[in-house]
This record gives sequence, C-alpha cells and structure tokens, in this order.
Amino acid sequence: DAGVIQSPRHEVTEMGQEVTLRCKPISGHDYLFWYRQTMMRGLELLIYFNNNVPIDDSGMPEDRFSAKMPNASFSTLKIQPSEPRDSAVYFCASSLTALYGYTFGSGTRLTVV
Amino acid sequence: QKEVEQNSGPLSVPEGAIASLNCTYSDRGSQSFFWYRQYSGKSPELIMSIYSNGDKEDGRFTAQLNKASQYVSLLIRDSQPSDSATYLCAVDNTGNQFYFGTGTSLTVIP
Repeated sequence: DAGVIQSPRHEVTEMGQEVTLRCKPISGHDYLFWYRQTMMRGLELLIYFNNNVPIDDSGMPEDRFSAKMPNASFSTLKIQPSEPRDSAVYFCASSLTALYGYTFGSGTRLTVV
Repeated sequence: QKEVEQNSGPLSVPEGAIASLNCTYSDRGSQSFFWYRQYSGKSPELIMSIYSNGDKEDGRFTAQLNKASQYVSLLIRDSQPSDSATYLCAVDNTGNQFYFGTGTSLTVIP
C-alpha cells in the first residue's frame, strides 16, 4: 500500500483565495482525520470521519473551513477565504480503528501571504 | 489544563545514553497510548503503543504506563544520533480520537 497520500505537498496562496487540500487514505481504513500543526499549538484535530461520515468537527476553527469525504478513498479540506493565520502544515491520517494508532500522510505545507 | 502534557525540551543526551521522555494525561478513562516520532519537516511516525500498566519493550524502545498516576513514558536505550527528533505522546479521549502532546525535542550528541 502507498500509505496515506496528500496533495499538494506545498501550497502558497494569497490571502482571500480558496485553498483545497486533498487526501487519499489507506484502503480499508474506516477512520480519516485532518490535523493542523503549528509550532505554537502543536497538532490540533480539525475533523474526523468514520465510514465517510463526519463525526466530530468541533476542531474546525471557523466557518471558513470545511471538509468532505464523498467516498472511502478521498477527502478534501477547504479553506475559503484563506488568511495568513491559516499558514501551517495540514496532515491527513487514517486508521482501521483509533485503538491501533494512525498512519499520517506527508502533509501539506500551506503558506498564506 | 491540557489533555496531554509533555516537557517541550529540548532534551540533549550523549550517544549511547538512555533518553527518557515523559507524558501526563488528564482523562482517567483513557485506554490507548502511543508514541510518535517526528523528524524535522516530516510527518509523525508511530513507534510504540501501550494499553496496559507496566512496561512494553521493542528493541531499544521501552514504553511505560502507570494509569494510577496518569503517566506514560518512553525510554530510548543506547541513543543514536538518528534518534534525534521530536517525540509526540498521544492519548485517546475514550472516544475514537486522540489528543497529542506538543512534543519533546530530543538531540543525541555524537
């Protein structure tokens, strides 16, 4: 298996633009998680899905953030409009069940200027 | 109070020494505990899991769990320069998600 695949690896965008991050989880993993990592706040859970259904989105910082999982092999995290404070590394992770730990993707480094 | 707390470090140890990384958590109902290693610019990588009190050994790594004290630790024996990384503690919140500590930066000095 190729692991969790995220794209793009790097994204630089101007404030106010829409940004879409993509994730392909490991086949057969029922759980998908979106995290954001910054130096100040560490890893923060934004939202997670179970069997394509959003279970907990309490970590989504604002209405500017939205996430979808239209099928078991694809998820998106969208920021519209983007702001400089959204600059961070965004990780997608998947797992069979939470009890066995996550496998993280390579991350997307987002810079909003 | 944060759900998971770690000393941010940096922690420096000489090559060949034992590195000790510590983590405390607030949810007494937590059942699953993990240690992740994250190299600079890379994603977190799962290195150890522990579910019951006591020690669990895997090669040079030993995870220790004490649920009564709400404490989990990671010992790295015979530390190598390649162990230099940030180590993240993750604890489940009795649901299907984990809280991560902010990580401890470890430097192994040759």
